[in-house]
Amino acid sequence: KQEVTQIPAALSVPEGENLVLNCSFTDSAIYNLQWFRQDPGKGLTSLLLIQSSQREQTSGRLNASLDKSSGRSTLYIAASQPGDSATYLCAVSRISSSNTGKLIFGQGTTLQVKP
Amino acid sequence: GAVVSQHPSRVICKSGTSVKIECRSLDFQATTMFWYRQFPKQSLMLMATSNEGSKATYEQGVEKDKFLINHASLTLSTLTVTSAHPEDSSFYICSANERGGNQETQYFGPGTRLLVL
Repeated sequence: KQEVTQIPAALSVPEGENLVLNCSFTDSAIYNLQWFRQDPGKGLTSLLLIQSSQREQTSGRLNASLDKSSGRSTLYIAASQPGDSATYLCAVSRISSSNTGKLIFGQGTTLQVKP
Repeated sequence: GAVVSQHPSRVICKSGTSVKIECRSLDFQATTMFWYRQFPKQSLMLMATSNEGSKATYEQGVEKDKFLINHASLTLSTLTVTSAHPEDSSFYICSANERGGNQETQYFGPGTRLLVL
């Protein structure tokens, strides 16, 4: 059974710091891995999607890496801003192409960036 | 961009009543819609997957008679929590794949917070 774990559960940093969020998964047979952002009481916004054959993806100040063999992914946020404060969720999708829509989520890392 | 709405955004009901939550794709047709549940400080758990015109597929441990899902059209799926109890209080989120689009992309609704008294 696939399990996704995120460390740390919560993180507080001063504005401007670079930071790394970690995600690990127990079964390396994934189709892809995604990072999402969730603001309090809101839905999810997709940040980055990494295919199983890829090593990393970048979007602006965000960079996500994937090491499928070791079951790990990291989300790197450069020059953090107060507006980055949110909960970050990683999710893996099951390997069958007919099940690509089924996402298994980690519990999230709640980030607070202090001005 | 693809937008998914949910209604209501928040609902409070008495124990034993039934509550219906709507999930709509506003500017696209949804091949598949997914329903998730999120308890406080926990992750999203997939409850069921629904395809238009067919029965929903429920995840293990989710009671299909308690959580009724109807996917009557390509833009609307409904989740009905029947005979709700306080332990059903949670944040319910739907998502949808766009018909003809990238099936790896799910567009998420804003969520519905259910409180059962």
